[in-house]
Amino acid sequence: EVQLVESGGGLVQPGGSLRLSCASSGFTFDDYAMHWVRQAPGKGLEWVSGISWNGGALGYADSVKGRFTISRDNAKTSLYLQMNSLRAEDTAFYYCAKDSAAAGTNFDFWGQGTLVTVSS
Amino acid sequence: QSALTQPRSVSGSPGQSVTISCTGTSSDIGGYNYVSWYQQHPGKAPKLMIYDVTNRPSGVPDRFSGSRSGNTASLTISGLQADDEADYYCCSYAGSYTWVFGGGTKLTVL
Repeated sequence: EVQLVESGGGLVQPGGSLRLSCASSGFTFDDYAMHWVRQAPGKGLEWVSGISWNGGALGYADSVKGRFTISRDNAKTSLYLQMNSLRAEDTAFYYCAKDSAAAGTNFDFWGQGTLVTVSS
Repeated sequence: QSALTQPRSVSGSPGQSVTISCTGTSSDIGGYNYVSWYQQHPGKAPKLMIYDVTNRPSGVPDRFSGSRSGNTASLTISGLQADDEADYYCCSYAGSYTWVFGGGTKLTVL
């Protein structure tokens, strides 16, 4: 059974940093691309960032480019999101999502999310 | 990276069919076959319902179907059931290793 468990969320002040982690199990992690998708409370889904199976391809939404960095550790079967220069508008549930392919196509399994709150 | 356009809400009675549209551009929906649809119940994580425009993952009922015409993708749900009431999101690959979601559509089963 595929499992994705996010951690690292919490309350942070504007301008601060957080590092999210996503621990995976139940599938061969390094066979698939992975993504972060966020959802502000009561709002819609927003794709944040994606990384191919070997890290050779990376992508970011314009809203986070230059502030967020995605990475993965295939040996630890984990995905990460380093978030710097956080803003109030980054407040959201952050979901880790598994792609159905190595290169990147769609999101076939999702974690339960971790809440990031940016507020003074 | 402009969000895809979906109707904010649709509704239908049990047993009826509803279609949710998702309009983009030739740089996303019209340019790639990586169009997908997600169902999200309140307080739950999204669930993949349709991938690669028309394909259903195993376990998704054949009442759910996807299609595309030009820059507009559609999700059709036939034989509406109470449990279909949820938010639905379309998503498309948009080039340069980026993806874009629609704003979401709230489906109400009357």
